[in-house]
Parts: sequence; structure tokens; C-alpha cells
Amino acid sequence: SYVLTQPPSVSVAPGQTARITCGGNNIGSKTVHWYQQKPGQAPVLVVYNDSDRPSGIPERLSGSNSGNTATLTISRVEAGDEADYYCQVWDSISDHRVFGTGTKVTVL
Amino acid sequence: QVQLVQSGAEVKKPGASVKVSCKASGYTFTGYYIHWVRQAPGQGLEWMGWINPNSGGTNYAQKFQDRVTMTRDTSITTAYMELSRVKSDDTAVYYCARGPVRIGSWFDPWGQGTLVTVSS
Repeated sequence: SYVLTQPPSVSVAPGQTARITCGGNNIGSKTVHWYQQKPGQAPVLVVYNDSDRPSGIPERLSGSNSGNTATLTISRVEAGDEADYYCQVWDSISDHRVFGTGTKVTVL
Repeated sequence: QVQLVQSGAEVKKPGASVKVSCKASGYTFTGYYIHWVRQAPGQGLEWMGWINPNSGGTNYAQKFQDRVTMTRDTSITTAYMELSRVKSDDTAVYYCARGPVRIGSWFDPWGQGTLVTVSS
């Protein structure tokens, strides 16, 4: 089955930029979605279709996807961005949805 | 507003079945898939499958193929996920989430989650 690999953790100072990667074989040919999950809460969609943002999601969060890596970028990081982030794709071979391993973002 | 409200926490003994409900409101229930995703304590997200509320058609992850049943009642805009023969490692928070009826679609919004604890 298709595997998505994310770094377990990313640490960033307030005001700086955090980049969260999601690696998968030729992931650039797939459509990637990103979710933010804060402790004790359900996940929230923050980026869909590689780089689109749902209404209410700040422009500081942006996505890109090419080759074997998709990236969620959080600019001007704030304390409220501290959360777990998951990437997700559709695996056309199995017709199943797949989640990445998840990345914990810590704001220093 | 679009909302998914799930049933309350459950405690089950190994070997039993558990059924979780997901009440949808604020949109046309039959126009979107309902997906089920679970999260074991301290672990990541795991997709279990989807149901098409319009047709009742389902697509289950291979891991759960022989133990999960997803159903719906369109008259009360509610989807259900039943997991049979539960074991301790089925202890998790189970989420329902809405998904557009298209290839490669996303999940939005999510229900609040239902904690299922399996313990003897």
C-alpha cells in the first residue's frame, strides 16, 4: 500500500517559518490534503488540492506538491499553530485514503 | 452550518461489537460520502472506509474488511459504523468526516469523535 512519511517533529520560533514535509513515491502526481489537530480536538482541514485553503484558514498556511515531496508551509508562526499536522492522499491502486505519519509542530 | 455529531463514549469487552453513530446536519446528507477514521491513544490517523449515503455503497480499508460494517439511515441523516469482534488494540477515538463525492477528495468537517475503550 502507498506510504506517506512525515518528520515526527518540527520546532520553530515565533515569527519564523515552519515547513512540514510529506514524502511519497511520485506524490506530485497525486492530490494532497493537510489537516491540523490540536490536543483533544478533531482534525481540521487546512489545505486541500495541494494548495487551496478552506475559508477561515489564514494565508500564512500554504501548500505545494512536486516530485516525491509535498510541503505545508506555515509563515510567521504563532503560538496557536502548535499542533499535529497530517497529510493525506487517495491511493488509486487500492482506492483507499492514506494518511501520513503526522508531524508535531512545537513553537519555541 | 455543516455539522457532524457523534454518539457518546463506549466501553466494550473483547469479542463484543460496537456501533457508533454520526448525525449530519446543515447540508444534503445524500450528496457527500461519510468516512470513518480512527486514532489510537498517542497515535496517528487511520482511515477505515466510507459509505455513500445516497446508494449505501461502501469501501472498506483492507485491514477492517471482515469486521466493519458501515450503514446509513437517510430518514434521520445518520451514518453508522459497527466494528465486530473488538480487541484491546481497537481502543481508539473514532471519527466520522464528510467527503465530497469525487476521486481524491478531502475530509471536512469532522465529527467530535467517539472514544471506544475495549477492556475486560
